[in-house]
Amino acid sequence: GEDVEQSLFLSVREGDSSVINCTYTDSSSTYLYWYKQEPGAGLQLLTYIFSNMDMKQDQRLTVLLNKKDKHLSLRIADTQTGDSAIYFCAESSTGGGNKLTFGTGTQLKVEL
Amino acid sequence: DTGVSQDPRHKITKRGQNVTFRCDPISEHNRLYWYRQTLGQGPEFLTYFQNEAQLEKSRLLSDRFSAERPKGSFSTLEIQRTEQGDSAMYLCASSLNWASNTEAFFGQGTRLTVV
Repeated sequence: GEDVEQSLFLSVREGDSSVINCTYTDSSSTYLYWYKQEPGAGLQLLTYIFSNMDMKQDQRLTVLLNKKDKHLSLRIADTQTGDSAIYFCAESSTGGGNKLTFGTGTQLKVEL
Repeated sequence: DTGVSQDPRHKITKRGQNVTFRCDPISEHNRLYWYRQTLGQGPEFLTYFQNEAQLEKSRLLSDRFSAERPKGSFSTLEIQRTEQGDSAMYLCASSLNWASNTEAFFGQGTRLTVV
């Protein structure tokens, strides 16, 4: 079945860039997503990329997709303390209702 | 409409009891999803509905679990004879039209603790 993997923890200083990585196994993935989860809150969609794209930029967020290696990354520029949260990579494929398969999440800690 | 609403937010129950959770999606959304999230893990898909039809169920959804969406609006997830392993956050999401990949909006979840 599908599998999505992420590193568990990342610590950065405020103002630095953060890069969160994700690998997936499903070659039929159509869309790949980044969600943010803060304590006590639901999942918030940050951005997504279609599988025929290599890069997508949205303000401070840059998503890079290497489809050959099945590797996805999320770069957050000028990381702020408010960016501290758990970040989930997720993928969906056509058919079967496009349900999401999530990674285990990367906890980002931003230090002053 | 303020988004996807789930009720209750927290539920503590004794092992062996039945529990029922409710999800109210965003009003015009025709698709509704249930996920389960355990501590330190990402959400795992349980089931989804398109309107009132339940189109897919995960193997995670044992026969003690049943979900309904009788009028194609709100949905309920019932767990019978709860076990300690059922303790988790149960998340609901809804979306309007997946073909154009509009966003799936998540509720804040119902946290179940089985003691």
